[in-house]
Amino acid sequence: DVKVTQSSRYLVKRTGEKVFLECVQDMDHENMFWYRQDPGLGLRLIYFSYDVKMKEKGDIPEGYSVSREKKERFSLILESASTNQTSMYLCASRRQGNYGYTFGSGTRLTVV
Amino acid sequence: TQLLEQSPQFLSIQEGENLTVYCNSSSVFSSLQWYRQEPGEGPVLLVTVVTGGEVKKLKRLTFQFGDARKDSSLHITAAQPGDTGLYLCAGANTDKLIFGTGTRLQVFP
Repeated sequence: DVKVTQSSRYLVKRTGEKVFLECVQDMDHENMFWYRQDPGLGLRLIYFSYDVKMKEKGDIPEGYSVSREKKERFSLILESASTNQTSMYLCASRRQGNYGYTFGSGTRLTVV
Repeated sequence: TQLLEQSPQFLSIQEGENLTVYCNSSSVFSSLQWYRQEPGEGPVLLVTVVTGGEVKKLKRLTFQFGDARKDSSLHITAAQPGDTGLYLCAGANTDKLIFGTGTRLQVFP
């Protein structure tokens, strides 16, 4: 079964900590995406990557960075976590072209 | 900024009823996708529609893409409790998806 795996289902971090969210896909997909999902705001794109070592800002990149050193892995980094970054974070991947996304199960991050 | 508005936001119905969810935009999309998300999980792709006017059926679910490729609808016939979840439409533009605001469906036995 092909899948996108997010390393943690739940995380609790303190304000100011550096936080790493890891995402791995086993489908050899070129494109990978990070979204956050908040009640009433829907899914908002943070960063995406067309291929290894490539990254593009999404709609809300402030306070975040990403790393894609290998094709299968796309990491989201919160440089200095803040309470307004408490959210559900969803990673997705897709084959290059007009195809559907495969999502991971999400990481629910709470910043206290 | 492109927006996809879904209606209704919430829907609570009895098993066996029919329902329709709408997804509207002022923008044209090259294709439109529908996803269902269950609590604690990521969205799962249901269907992709590409051609204006296209209709696709997936068992009791019928998806339609508007002629102008700006809107779409999802119709569920004889809803079941297993249909409960958050339904999301997503429009494709260049290499990104724009997600709709979501419709939360609850089907009671």
